Amino acid sequence: GENVEQHPSTLSVQEGDSAVIKCTYSDSASNYFPWYKQELGKRPQLIIDIRSNVGEKKDQRIAVTLNKTAKHFSLHITETQPEDSAVYFCAALQTGTASKLTFGTGTRLQVTL
Amino acid sequence: DTEVTQTPKHLVMGMTNKKSLKCEQHMGHRAMYWYKQKAKKPPELMFVYSYEKLSINESVPSRFSPECPNSSLLNLHLHALQPEDSALYLCASSQDVLSPQHFGDGTRLSIL
Repeated sequence: GENVEQHPSTLSVQEGDSAVIKCTYSDSASNYFPWYKQELGKRPQLIIDIRSNVGEKKDQRIAVTLNKTAKHFSLHITETQPEDSAVYFCAALQTGTASKLTFGTGTRLQVTL
Repeated sequence: DTEVTQTPKHLVMGMTNKKSLKCEQHMGHRAMYWYKQKAKKPPELMFVYSYEKLSINESVPSRFSPECPNSSLLNLHLHALQPEDSALYLCASSQDVLSPQHFGDGTRLSIL
């Protein structure tokens, strides 16, 4: 099955700085990679996603990059704000006879003033 | 805006009780999911329904019994749960199994 590794597990940045979270996946058949933000006590919220036919996607301060050859994908947040503080999960969707989403272990991002 | 509604928000039950968790969406999504999330861990897939048919059961114990009565509703029936089953149970839905998944707020379940 798919295995998704995520680093770092915790990340502390100052307001205004950039934050980068990295994930690797194992199954070359995975072709869809979403990122979720989960604030304390709330639902995971889809913030950006990328499919395997695209190398990069940007939405305002958030961008995701994908390197299919290396099986790496990364989340980049620029000009961080305190409200960006949350746990971020990457995920990879295996396709085939049974499509399922496998999550990384999560990164706790703390944006300090 | 996408919306998946789960009830109840909180549930406390004894190990001999029978209860059900409910999930509803009116976005016309044809795939629905149950996940279990323990504190400080990622969501862990339990079941996938596609077009109202169970397509994935991740070797979940039989004390958890899913049901999809129609394309908008997903239930999770609980019976004889164990204390280690205490967790946040999340429902999600998507257009189909290859599309982005959107989560409900979850039911926080405590087993006494």
